[in-house]
Amino acid sequence: DAGITQSPRHKVTETGTPVTLRCHQTENHRYMYWYRQDPGHGLRLIHYSYGVKDTDKGEVSDGYSVSRSKTEDFLLTLESATSSQTSVYFCASQSPSSGNTIYFGEGSWLTVV
Amino acid sequence: DQQVKQNSPSLSVQEGRISILNCDYTNSMFDYFLWYKKYPAEGPTFLISISSIKDKNEDGRFTVFLNKSAKHLSLHIVPSQPGDSAVYFCAATVTGNQFYFGTGTSLTVIP
Repeated sequence: DAGITQSPRHKVTETGTPVTLRCHQTENHRYMYWYRQDPGHGLRLIHYSYGVKDTDKGEVSDGYSVSRSKTEDFLLTLESATSSQTSVYFCASQSPSSGNTIYFGEGSWLTVV
Repeated sequence: DQQVKQNSPSLSVQEGRISILNCDYTNSMFDYFLWYKKYPAEGPTFLISISSIKDKNEDGRFTVFLNKSAKHLSLHIVPSQPGDSAVYFCAATVTGNQFYFGTGTSLTVIP
């Protein structure tokens, strides 16, 4: 377990507003990921980071941006929330030294109305 | 294009019997495979993994089998217990790169 905490855990927001989800890990893991989970789609990668200020797009990155200014924090921003971004968002982290296993946070439930 | 597929959305098994969850993949470069378990309102938790150099890995009641020629892996749970009722995701990766997940199989173990 990587000691990953996500905030907020639940949020309701209006269409068109910006939203930032925060992921914080205490294990000094280098790699961090943001996934979204939707029925019928499983877990899909939004963005990932291989280190501070080193981020890249995943398969469903449109409408999302990320920032990693510190090893322990990985922020996911919805610039202008849409109803299609209503989802459960999971952060994950990985230490290459501990093998090919990623560990997940508890999730952030986002509803865009 | 879905690189990792779980074609059975749900599975029901009697307590004490074997549960077999299946997963197929398309990318022959994948060299590491994982299974995660997810309860409602919680994050996925790591269950078991296997490297592509092996064809079987066991951990207690859980065994993962890998058939590289068929690009298929399976998770066997025996004996199944009610607490095993959850959604199971398989995942695959090329070491050092992204992880790809299947759509999940919801397992119900009937007491």
